[in-house]
Amino acid sequence: GENVEQHPSTLSVQEGDSAVIKCTYSDSASNYFPWYKQELGKRPQLIIDIRSNVGEKKDQRIAVTLNKTAKHFSLHITETQPEDSAVYFCAEGMDSSYKLIFGSGTRLLVRP
Amino acid sequence: AAGVIQSPRHLIKEKRETATLKCYPIPRHDTVYWYQQGPGQDPQFLISFYEKMQSDKGSIPDRFSAQQFSDYHSELNMSSLELGDSALYFCASSYDEGVTEAFFGQGTRLTVV
Repeated sequence: GENVEQHPSTLSVQEGDSAVIKCTYSDSASNYFPWYKQELGKRPQLIIDIRSNVGEKKDQRIAVTLNKTAKHFSLHITETQPEDSAVYFCAEGMDSSYKLIFGSGTRLLVRP
Repeated sequence: AAGVIQSPRHLIKEKRETATLKCYPIPRHDTVYWYQQGPGQDPQFLISFYEKMQSDKGSIPDRFSAQQFSDYHSELNMSSLELGDSALYFCASSYDEGVTEAFFGQGTRLTVV
């Protein structure tokens, strides 16, 4: 069935350090994996996404890696800044459907 | 740039009342998703529409119904409201067949008292 496990639930890092959040999915048919950032009381905003035909995608300080064999994907944030503090959600979807299933979220705190 | 518009932004209802939430997708987007997010929870998928037809259904209670109209806006109708329905309700929209980049609206905060 559809299920996305996300770890860790909370993550505290020093400004300038890297942060890594991992998600595991169960449905091998899933082929779309976005990451959303949500600040308190605001809407989730897409920060990066990846499709199953690539293994890595990078956008400035943010990168996502995908391991299809192991069914997991990760978000990497380098040179973290206090404004990176938020809740990050991974999600999975597939071309044959019209829904995104979200992970449980990771609360990232970047200490100045 | 135009974004997903949701109305109202805030809504307070009493138990057993009904509520209607509206969503206006980004122009030319043909897919609408509805999500429910409780405090400290992840967004839970409720239902989606593609080209005005229901495309996928998630954990939407039978007391809720939704539809997408000819102008692609969508409405989520909630009846016999319960205290547990209090949550942030997000609508998201995307373009093209199948799941793709989805943009979220600002949400409607529903409080049931």
